Amino acid sequence: QSALTQPRSVSGSPGQSVTISCTGTNSDVGTYDYVSWYQHHPGRAPRLIIFDVTKRPSGVPDRFSGSKSGNTASLTISGLQAEDEALYFCYSYAGSNGFYVMFGGGTHLTVL
Amino acid sequence: QLHLEESGPGLVRPSETLSLTCTVSDGSIITSSYYWGWIRQPPGRGLEWIGSIYYRGSVFYNPSLRNRVTLSVDTSKETLSLNLTSVTATDTAVYYCARQELFNYYFDHWGQGTPVTVSA
Repeated sequence: QSALTQPRSVSGSPGQSVTISCTGTNSDVGTYDYVSWYQHHPGRAPRLIIFDVTKRPSGVPDRFSGSKSGNTASLTISGLQAEDEALYFCYSYAGSNGFYVMFGGGTHLTVL
Repeated sequence: QLHLEESGPGLVRPSETLSLTCTVSDGSIITSSYYWGWIRQPPGRGLEWIGSIYYRGSVFYNPSLRNRVTLSVDTSKETLSLNLTSVTATDTAVYYCARQELFNYYFDHWGQGTPVTVSA
């Protein structure tokens, strides 16, 4: 199975909104609502920010939101802040032929 | 707050076996609600799932690594272990352990990762 497809980079100015896409297939994103997103600052542990497509863990600001349409999931960050600059990974269950999960290639967000 | 910490040799020679440990603290490996997973990130590349293990021993592997990887759990020591045989330069990566929700599969707690370089 191939990794989920994400843009290599996106950027936005403070206060603006950005959306990161995550394209899979009907064997993963298109079939299962087990899509999650992770924020990763270099040298730190990755942080879960969205699970089950749209849900936020406690402590994650509501500026982060997730959605899905067909084989593509999306992460939207509104009201960009400097500390949002990080690497973002999407993830999906893909277990149509046994237990299997996969990540996207990662998107680097630059806050201008 | 659950804490996971990976440890390992840092440098491994080609064809040898990589052995890593993940120590779980401020929580227990013995939980019916979670798997424990290993994930790696090669330099400049995305994350790759290696495998997941339940505390009772059920284990699932990425098919691309199945022939070389073994995961295990020691409940008495609250540790997870990863062994990867016949390593090559392509196994150079930062290796992470993480707790994985049993039914919805997301990873909710991660370690900071341990870098591994495969080089002679």
